[in-house]
Parts: sequence; C-alpha cells; structure tokens
Amino acid sequence: NAGVTQTPKFRILKIGQSMTLQCTQDMNHNYMYWYRQDPGMGLKLIYYSVGAGITDKGEVPNGYNVSRSTTEDFPLRLELAAPSQTSVYFCASVPGQGYNEQFFGPGTRLTVL
Amino acid sequence: AQSVTQLGSHVSVSEGALVLLRCNYSSSVPPYLFWYVQYPNQGLQLLLKYTTGATLVKGINGFEAEFKKSETSFHLTKPSAHMSDAAEYFCAVIISGGSYIPTFGRGTSLIVHP
Repeated sequence: NAGVTQTPKFRILKIGQSMTLQCTQDMNHNYMYWYRQDPGMGLKLIYYSVGAGITDKGEVPNGYNVSRSTTEDFPLRLELAAPSQTSVYFCASVPGQGYNEQFFGPGTRLTVL
Repeated sequence: AQSVTQLGSHVSVSEGALVLLRCNYSSSVPPYLFWYVQYPNQGLQLLLKYTTGATLVKGINGFEAEFKKSETSFHLTKPSAHMSDAAEYFCAVIISGGSYIPTFGRGTSLIVHP
C-alpha cells in the first residue's frame, strides 16, 4: 500500500490564484481529514469527511472547499489564495469508524505571495 | 469540550538522558490518547496510543506513556535519548462518544545534544 499520498509537495501561488491540493489513500479508509500546520500552532482542522459524498467543516474552513466523490480521494480547493493561507497542509485518514489513529500524508508546503 | 496542553514548546536533553514530554488533557468522559512524532519535512506518524486496558502503553523506538486519570495526564518518556529522536512530538485526544475528531496539542520540539 502507498498509504496517504499528497500532491504537489511544494507550490508557490500569487494572491488571488486558485489551486487544488490532491489527497489519495489506498487503504479503504472511510474517514479523511485536512489540516493546516503553522509554526508553534499545532494542527488546525480545515474539513473532514466520514465517507464518500459527506463532508463537514472543521475549525478553520474559510477560504477552502472540499469534495469527496470517492472513498479514495479528498481534494482541497483554494479559490482565491491569500497570504494567510501560507502553510503546510496535511491530509489524513482513519480506518473504520472508531477511535483509531490517523494516517498522515507527507504534506504540501504552500506559499502565497 | 476536549483540550490538550503540552507543557514546553521545546525540550532539550543530552544523548543518553531521560526524555520526558508532558501532556495534559481535559475531558469529563474517558479519552482516547495518542502521541505522534513528526520528523523534519514529513507527516505525523503514530508513536503509541491508549484506548482501554493497561495504562502503561509501549510504543515504537523505545517510547512509552502512562495514562493517569487522576492527573489527567499522558506523559511520554524514553529512558535514553538518541540523536535520531530529535523531532516534533504531538499529543492528541479523542473523547469517547464524540465525533472522532482529535484535538491536538501545539507540539513539543525535542532537541538532543551530543
């Protein structure tokens, strides 16, 4: 299994541009999550999904959108990039629907200038 | 509401010394507790977890943690630090009967001196 994969690894955007961060897992996990990580601030939940077709907002959803058309894929969309969205973004998935550990992708480092 | 506090944003130890990273949580119901490690430019990976049963939990790379309900703590320890242990460590909690969304602490950076 490849686990959780994220693309791209790095990206520089100009203010107002849009992009999609890709996340794919091949473990047939139902639960998937998007986090952003800023220095000294831990992980902030952006959006999460409990299964295909179901998504919900996390702690910091403004400026982002998600979709979950398949179990495997959970892309994160930035519509109008702002400098405040400069961060490292992590996707994670959880097996089953219990109190299990999260499996994280390697992250996408995004800079908005 | 659940919350997690990691005391000390940075902990510095000498190689071979005891490692102690502190984590306290707040919850009125039984928690599920996790420690994750993040090496530079990588995602988080699980070190160990407490769900039910034995309160002393052993994880990978010689780490262990003890769930102490009376102290609402889940401190991470390792008897002898190795240079390769230098990383960021995160404590996380999920509350039973909740939404399966973990709350993460802000992280503790472990620095190991030769």
